[in-house]
Amino acid sequence: QVQLRQWGAGLLKPSETMSLTCAVYGGTFSDYYWTWIRQSPGKGLEWIGEINHSGSSTYNPSLKNRVAISVDTSKNQFSLRLTSLTAADTAVYYCTRATVDTLATGARWVDNWGQGTLVTVSS
Amino acid sequence: DIVMTQSPDSLAVSLGERATINCKSSQSILYSSNNKNYLAWYQQKAGQPPKLLIYWASTRESGVPDRFSGSGSGTDFTLTITSLQAEDVAVYYCQQYFSTPFTFGPGTTVHIK
Repeated sequence: QVQLRQWGAGLLKPSETMSLTCAVYGGTFSDYYWTWIRQSPGKGLEWIGEINHSGSSTYNPSLKNRVAISVDTSKNQFSLRLTSLTAADTAVYYCTRATVDTLATGARWVDNWGQGTLVTVSS
Repeated sequence: DIVMTQSPDSLAVSLGERATINCKSSQSILYSSNNKNYLAWYQQKAGQPPKLLIYWASTRESGVPDRFSGSGSGTDFTLTITSLQAEDVAVYYCQQYFSTPFTFGPGTTVHIK
């Protein structure tokens, strides 16, 4: 049974940088993709980006050059960094695991979620 | 980006009755080389993260009750809950994983009538 435990600062000011980290317990870390998803009342669920164990990442273009996801395979952890925060970034941020299709199609779907971290951006 | 829409926004169903939620994608999410639809359904209860119910549009995740079923192909999909139970009160989301950025529908809230 996999568990994803996440942590990071919950209250930030505009223009600051948000950093969240997620630790994975259980399962084989290298078998999955690791993603960040956020949820806000105004925009619903938004996929932020993903990374695999080798560090290959893909991001949502809506976040332009503000986002970076990194991975530490020695600790089975991955992290999210979002810069130049505005009030629009206020949301619950979830770290998630995506299962990769065993038939090597490249398809992957989120099958496990962390508990979520409320990040509020306010002056 | 592929835009996902859902209908209705909310619905009230009597206990034991059927609930039907519709999801539509702005372009086909059926991959011709494997004939699979790249669609997942999630259930989110109050104060909890979403939970995976169905992937490949119709494959139930392990442990999900068989009263939950998914159907559809191409651009039009349906989540059906037969015999609604009290614990099924939640918001239901569809999501496409055909192309990045992966996108979600706005959600459908299911209440008890």
